[in-house]
Amino acid sequence: DQQVKQNSPSLSVQEGRISILNCDYTNSMFDYFLWYKKYPAEGPTFLISISSIKDKNEDGRFTVFLNKSAKHLSLHIVPSQPGDSAVYFCAASDSGTYKYIFGTGTRLKVLA
Amino acid sequence: NAGVTQTPKFRVLKTGQSMTLLCAQDMNHEYMYWYRQDPGMGLRLIHYSVGEGTTAKGEVPDGYNVSRLKKQNFLLGLESAAPSQTSVYFCATKQGSLHEQYFGPGTRLTVT
Repeated sequence: DQQVKQNSPSLSVQEGRISILNCDYTNSMFDYFLWYKKYPAEGPTFLISISSIKDKNEDGRFTVFLNKSAKHLSLHIVPSQPGDSAVYFCAASDSGTYKYIFGTGTRLKVLA
Repeated sequence: NAGVTQTPKFRVLKTGQSMTLLCAQDMNHEYMYWYRQDPGMGLRLIHYSVGEGTTAKGEVPDGYNVSRLKKQNFLLGLESAAPSQTSVYFCATKQGSLHEQYFGPGTRLTVT
């Protein structure tokens, strides 16, 4: 049973346009969510996060939106740049456990 | 300041052989994690540790053992390797109540 799902395995976007990556979860106990970015042959690196007490968190070109009623979060990248081309993972946690469940990832390709 | 390092980077094993993967960190983080990444499966938690001398099971612990004898090291052992354990293994650490995880560069393991 996959508790965190990223239903789009890949996404292509033109440079300068908006990239929207989606993530759905099933466990209502999750109260903290993170996005990681991964380049080939490297470990994932932290990008942005959001607590369940918020519905939006912004950091430069990156914004994460959380819709608790729909159990859905999304990552917006504006404007998209070729260097953003990577695999993006969302992750969720029930803070009481400090375990993190990751989605399957979305490969973003930003076309120059 | 090396952050999180993993040894070895690559390894090929025959079915039934054993090996130990080493994760070392110099950030004095309490929490350490072992994940495996497989195509279409994302990152799955194998085992984790909330402090020196403690370990706990993650989502896919079968076939693996771990030890955390020193705060800075987290060892992942395969007692009798199987082809299903062919994967890329990532170690991660995090500090206390903060959620951001820091990942190592990964170990690519092939079991033939």
